Amino acid sequence: SSELTQDPAVSVALGQTVRITCQGDSLRSYYASWYQQKPGQAPVLVIYGKNNRPSGIPDRFSGSSSGNTASLTITGAQAEDEADYYCNSRDSSGNHPDYVFGTGTKVTVL
Amino acid sequence: QLQLQESGPGLVKPSETLSLTCTVSGGSISSSSYYWGWIRQPPGKGLEWIGSIYYSGSTYYNPSLKSRVTISVDTSKNQFSLKLSSVTAADTAVYYCARHTVVVPAAMSWFDPWGQGTLVTVSS
Repeated sequence: SSELTQDPAVSVALGQTVRITCQGDSLRSYYASWYQQKPGQAPVLVIYGKNNRPSGIPDRFSGSSSGNTASLTITGAQAEDEADYYCNSRDSSGNHPDYVFGTGTKVTVL
Repeated sequence: QLQLQESGPGLVKPSETLSLTCTVSGGSISSSSYYWGWIRQPPGKGLEWIGSIYYSGSTYYNPSLKSRVTISVDTSKNQFSLKLSSVTAADTAVYYCARHTVVVPAAMSWFDPWGQGTLVTVSS
């Protein structure tokens, strides 16, 4: 299966904007979904499809995609946004559905 | 509100079979709109998709685990289950179950909601 690559860690000043990227060949064919995971907790879906937010997710979270790269943007980062973030997409390299998670990005809010 | 809860032994011996069950409440597992998936996370590491099942029993597995994985569904109990055979210490992880939405025409999919997860340790 193919891979989805993310930067291991990024930091953002409180109230500023941070973009988290996810790169992989499958993203040319399929949208990514994005998950937030805080320590000791299960992942939570924050973005799916072109740019859809589940109920309860603040509108400071947004998604975009171009070529082989999907991005999650947090506009006006808050202290509670400090977490690990993972992308996920269907793998386009095989005949049967296969789903791959990105390597994860740790976001630190300064 | 849909909720998922994993259950099963927290300790499994090497070479044995890991067995977990996910109980779905607040909705029917027989809904034609959804798959149901298993995901795991070794301590301190990232997420790995294990496989997904449709209520009809159709399954998709991670190719790297396919030879050892069996996912099944029991619609009468609103549950789906995971069996992973010949486990080693590398299978020690938190195992999550989640509803898996797949929208083929729109080329999108997502996992939501997730269960709280259950830690399975492989050790003698």
